[in-house]
Amino acid sequence: EVQLVESGGGLVQPGGSLRLSCAASGFTFSSYWMSWVRQAPGKGLEWVANIKQDGSEKYYVDSVKGRFTISRDNAKNSLYLQMNSLRAEDTAVYYCARPHRRLVRYDAFDIWGQGTMVTVSS
Amino acid sequence: AIWMTQSPSLLSASTGDRVTISCRMSQGISSYLAWYQQKPGKAPELLIYAASTLQSGVPSRFSGSGSGTDFTLTISCLQSEDFATYYCQQYYSFPYTFGQGTKLEIK
Repeated sequence: EVQLVESGGGLVQPGGSLRLSCAASGFTFSSYWMSWVRQAPGKGLEWVANIKQDGSEKYYVDSVKGRFTISRDNAKNSLYLQMNSLRAEDTAVYYCARPHRRLVRYDAFDIWGQGTMVTVSS
Repeated sequence: AIWMTQSPSLLSASTGDRVTISCRMSQGISSYLAWYQQKPGKAPELLIYAASTLQSGVPSRFSGSGSGTDFTLTISCLQSEDFATYYCQQYYSFPYTFGQGTKLEIK
């Protein structure tokens, strides 16, 4: 079964850091671009970051540039999001998402994890 | 960034109705558009990609159309399980952007 499982969310103070993980299974992880998408409570979806299969290209939404870093370990079939200098507006459910087709840069997301909640509050 | 206007934000309908949700882009995106359904407390699910291609396993009462800047999701003959929130998404370029969402509620 194709599956993505996020972990690492929790409560953190403003200015703090958190590292999210996403464990992939059931498909050839190293063949896919991978993404993080977030959703603030009661709000819509916001794409956060993408990373190429080999980690050589990374893209971010402007609001997280310089604070968040996406990375991956293909040997461990895992995707990560290092979040630093966290702000209240980063409070959201963070989803790991896989595109529909392997090796394709721009694509819709056909596989999503269950999400992990990040709360930034003092 | 490519901005999108999704409408309406709230749609009231009855089982058996036909409904339409629209998404308009700030610039042309060819057919790089997807539609998702999200139910409370759950991750989004892909319904349609490439503007009009039905994702495997999605009922045929869902359909998508459009290209360039104007896109439409149509649900014919609403079923009880279709009451949810729907999002459009462009994947033409980074940053990917989503519409604001349309909550489909029971009239």
